[in-house]
Amino acid sequence: AQKVTQAQTEISVVEKEDVTLDCVYETRDTTYYLFWYKQPPSGELVFLIRRNSFDEQNEISGRYSWNFQKSTSSFNFTITASQVVDSAVYFCALSGTNTGNQFYFGTGTSLTVIP
Amino acid sequence: ETGVTQTPRHLVMGMTNKKSLKCEQHLGHNAMYWYKQSAKKPLELMFVYNFKEQTENNSVPSRFSPECPNSSHLFLHLHTLQPEDSALYLCASSPGAFYGYTFGSGTRLTVV
Repeated sequence: AQKVTQAQTEISVVEKEDVTLDCVYETRDTTYYLFWYKQPPSGELVFLIRRNSFDEQNEISGRYSWNFQKSTSSFNFTITASQVVDSAVYFCALSGTNTGNQFYFGTGTSLTVIP
Repeated sequence: ETGVTQTPRHLVMGMTNKKSLKCEQHLGHNAMYWYKQSAKKPLELMFVYNFKEQTENNSVPSRFSPECPNSSHLFLHLHTLQPEDSALYLCASSPGAFYGYTFGSGTRLTVV
């Protein structure tokens, strides 16, 4: 079974605080990909990162960083020094060898950054 | 134009109306998708097309009828909808799920 869990439904932080969004996944595939998407109020889901199951290196892109840990089946996303423009809904997603051409999305975490 | 384009951006329709949502991509992707996003609910996969062939129908009511005339265009025909069908309808395309999706901006549908 493929499943993505984002336990945090809503998070509020004050601007400049760091915030971590959690993502836990389940899959029986040995080859799979994990993704994060951002959905601002405009509605379009914007791709942030793609990570394959064989690459456990953490990645940093500006204020964004991702921590992939296969041992705990987690792919967490940290925003450093949050800004108001980071306010959005963030989705974690999984695709695997046996998922066909489909993603499995988590339920999303709504982040509000308060100025 | 790059990316995935959805029209219209907003649509208000009565329960007896017939309307269509349009999605267009010129990214050369083979797969196209319709998702429904209702308030406070997860993204719901509705339909998947691979190389113009429907490969997934996620138990969607027949009042939603998809059409994929070619690999660049995807339509969602709507008829006799219910107020609970009001939602954001998102189209996406992909060269393969391992590569990620490219989403359109969505059509915000209100059924009155």
